[in-house]
Amino acid sequence: DTGVSQNPRHKITKRGQNVTFRCDPISEHNRLYWYRQTLGQGPEFLTYFQNEAQLEKSRLLSDRFSAERPKGSFSTLEIQRTEQGDSAMYLCASSFIVTGADTQYFGPGTRLTVL
Amino acid sequence: AQSVTQPDIHITVSEGASLELRCNYSYGATPYLFWYVQSPGQGLQLLLKYFSGDTLVQGIKGFEAEFKRSQSSFNLRKPSVHWSDAAEYFCAVGGSLQGAQKLVFGQGTRLTINP
Repeated sequence: DTGVSQNPRHKITKRGQNVTFRCDPISEHNRLYWYRQTLGQGPEFLTYFQNEAQLEKSRLLSDRFSAERPKGSFSTLEIQRTEQGDSAMYLCASSFIVTGADTQYFGPGTRLTVL
Repeated sequence: AQSVTQPDIHITVSEGASLELRCNYSYGATPYLFWYVQSPGQGLQLLLKYFSGDTLVQGIKGFEAEFKRSQSSFNLRKPSVHWSDAAEYFCAVGGSLQGAQKLVFGQGTRLTINP
């Protein structure tokens, strides 16, 4: 068990550019979550997958954001036409659930800076 | 709607002193409760969780928390803090009310340790 990994760890981009982040969950975890954390705040839910199905998206996820988990393993989060307000830490978490409660394990995050 | 309040934005304690971080939640059913810790620029590490059963839960690094339903609280405690405990602490609530077990986080409490 190597934990949740995220790449890149840091990304600096210019306003209007597209960026893509990758998350590799803990092996055999069937749920994968994306959160966004701005400075001085707690993480906020963006979206989650059960296997390859995207089951919920937050109102925070505008049309410029898209997430995929094509084979139920790794996931990508793409932001198109970045804006300065997108600057934040993007956190990925994974869990294994059959029924009942799940425990989410977080990766180190990708810090995005939009200039 | 789910919500979490961490009343203390910043707490300073001396090394060796006891610690209590407060967390109050709002949730329409039995909540799942978590405490995570975050070091600067890093992801979140799970300290402990409450799903059901014994209301006093033990976690890693000598931390414990007590679920008090009547007070809607889940305070984190440690009898003697170490300099390495300096970090940001987040309380979170999750559950199955809306299908997805997304976590709702508090704003966080930043802990500073005086030598």
